Amino acid sequence: GAVVSQHPSRVICKSGTSVKIECRSLDFQATTMFWYRQFPKQSLMLMATSNEGSKATYEQGVEKDKFLINHASLTLSTLTVTSAHPEDSSFYICSAREGARSSYEQYFGPGTRLTVT
Amino acid sequence: QKEVEQDPGPLSVPEGAIVSLNCTYSNSAFQYFMWYRQYSRKGPELLMYTYSSGNKEDGRFTAQVDKSSKYISLFIRDSQPSDSATYLCAMTYLGGGNKLTFGTGTQLKVEL
Repeated sequence: GAVVSQHPSRVICKSGTSVKIECRSLDFQATTMFWYRQFPKQSLMLMATSNEGSKATYEQGVEKDKFLINHASLTLSTLTVTSAHPEDSSFYICSAREGARSSYEQYFGPGTRLTVT
Repeated sequence: QKEVEQDPGPLSVPEGAIVSLNCTYSNSAFQYFMWYRQYSRKGPELLMYTYSSGNKEDGRFTAQVDKSSKYISLFIRDSQPSDSATYLCAMTYLGGGNKLTFGTGTQLKVEL
């Protein structure tokens, strides 16, 4: 099956610093990648959708200057949390979709636990 | 009101029991319905998907959709301790911008 990896799996950073999270599709070309965040005991909330070679589309309420998304290739998307604050601490999960497949065919990465101290 | 409502649980059942997990939704435009399983500190894994109303069976899992009631269910037969996880429902529709709308997830524990 399709495999999506994320790196790092866990990161602790100090308030005010920036953190980059990578999402890779290992055995397929991901024309679309999605970034979610998940708080404990809460649902996955879509933050943004990125298409390869295009600017990301952000969901309402998500600051695009704070959460920088780059989808420079068909196998890699990055999320950079800039000037991180403790309230940004969360579980960030990416998913990837291949080509013209239906939206339900998203394959999720294992997630990145971000802790901002 | 949330678009998708799901009882967070936790739900605890003995091994071998039949488990029923449910979601209700308010947006009648939803056409595709998914169930994901998420183990602790891991990403969601797609278990089943259905289109429109009806039942779909895959091994021990049965997904049921009742669009008239805006209600979907996932049944797990002969539950095993390895089924212990959080189960998330998700839904979308054509023209929905590839956006999945998730429930909060139900935490299931299957005990020996």
